Amino acid sequence: DAGVIQSPRHEVTEMGQEVTLRCKPISGHDYLFWYRQTMMRGLELLIYFNNNVPIDDSGMPEDRFSAKMPNASFSTLKIQPSEPRDSAVYFCASSLLLAGYNEQFFGPGTRLTVL
Amino acid sequence: AQSVTQLDSQVPVFEEAPVELRCNYSSSVSVYLFWYVQYPNQGLQLLLKYLSGSTLVKGINGFEAEFNKSQTSFHLRKPSVHISDTAEYFCAVSYIQGAQKLVFGQGTRLTINP
Repeated sequence: DAGVIQSPRHEVTEMGQEVTLRCKPISGHDYLFWYRQTMMRGLELLIYFNNNVPIDDSGMPEDRFSAKMPNASFSTLKIQPSEPRDSAVYFCASSLLLAGYNEQFFGPGTRLTVL
Repeated sequence: AQSVTQLDSQVPVFEEAPVELRCNYSSSVSVYLFWYVQYPNQGLQLLLKYLSGSTLVKGINGFEAEFNKSQTSFHLRKPSVHISDTAEYFCAVSYIQGAQKLVFGQGTRLTINP
């Protein structure tokens, strides 16, 4: 299995630009999570989906952030407009809820730098 | 509400020395517990997990952790570390009921000195 795939691996953009991060979960997994990692705040859960439906978006920082999952094999996290404080590593993770617990498999991350 | 506290942000040790990374959690209900490892410039990968049964859990790369319900702790240990263990380690917890979400600690950076 290829694991969770994220693209791009690195993104450098200027303040005010739109940024789209992409994620392909592991085939057959029914949960997808978006996290943000910074030195100051650590690892934060932004949003997660179950069977393509957003379940909890309480971690999304503000309206500039949006996430979609149009099908079971693809999700996007969009920031519009981007700001320097959005600079972070964004991780996507997927899982299959088995036997009541959720082992999450993480992608390699997208390092976003907003200038 | 659940929370996870990793008591040490950084732990430097010498190669072949033992190490313990501490994790405490707060929850009024039963939980599942996990340790993840993040190597430089990579995503997180599961090191080990506690779901039920024996309180001593063995994971990959010679790591083990002990669940202590009375102290609400889940400390990670390795008897002899290697340079390749240099990484950031995250403790995480989820409710048994509604176990979809993980709450992560702030992470502990383990540095192995030769």
